[in-house]
Amino acid sequence: AQSVTQLDSQVPVFEEAPVELRCNYSSSVSVYLFWYVQYPNQGLQLLLKYLSGSTLVESINGFEAEFNKSQTSFHLRKPSVHISDTAEYFCAVVQGAQKLVFGQGTRLTINP
Amino acid sequence: ETGVTQSPTHLIKTRGQQVTLRCSSQSGHNTVSWYQQALGQGPQFIFQYYREEENGRGNFPPRFSGLQFPNYSSELNVNALELDDSALYLCASSSGTSGRNTDTQYFGPGTRLTVL
Repeated sequence: AQSVTQLDSQVPVFEEAPVELRCNYSSSVSVYLFWYVQYPNQGLQLLLKYLSGSTLVESINGFEAEFNKSQTSFHLRKPSVHISDTAEYFCAVVQGAQKLVFGQGTRLTINP
Repeated sequence: ETGVTQSPTHLIKTRGQQVTLRCSSQSGHNTVSWYQQALGQGPQFIFQYYREEENGRGNFPPRFSGLQFPNYSSELNVNALELDDSALYLCASSSGTSGRNTDTQYFGPGTRLTVL
């Protein structure tokens, strides 16, 4: 079974600072990876995904993630965060043909 | 285009009762997946429905059951509620062939279930 590990449960950063949220996965087959964001009291929103092709994927709000097969990682980065980026971030991998397997989540807190 | 909607938003039940949660999928989507998100945890897959048939199930007991209707809306039923069933229940819809999960799943806002 595939699994996802998010190495940090909480990440506090100052506004306009860079941030990296770490995600490692376990898989011996082709992987499809996702980052979802959950704002307080809301459902999950897709941030970005890797299915194939370029290993660097970007979202419309400045986040990017790089698929690294040798390190089995899919870390999420943003060069300069805003207060509005405060949320819970979940990394997920597709298992089989039916389901998403999520990590435990990383709570990103932006301090002014 | 209407997104994924869920009802009710909040629900309080007592142990042993039964509950039905509802989900309306996004327009054009034929696949619905249900997830349970306990407090402080990532979502866990319960099951998926594709064109009214169950298309995969996670590690949940049979008292968790579901339905998908011809309009692709869906219900999650939980019998004999336990305290540990308290969680946010998320519904996600997607489009595609044979319920592939490489299709993007669009999540609803969830139903917060509290079991006392």
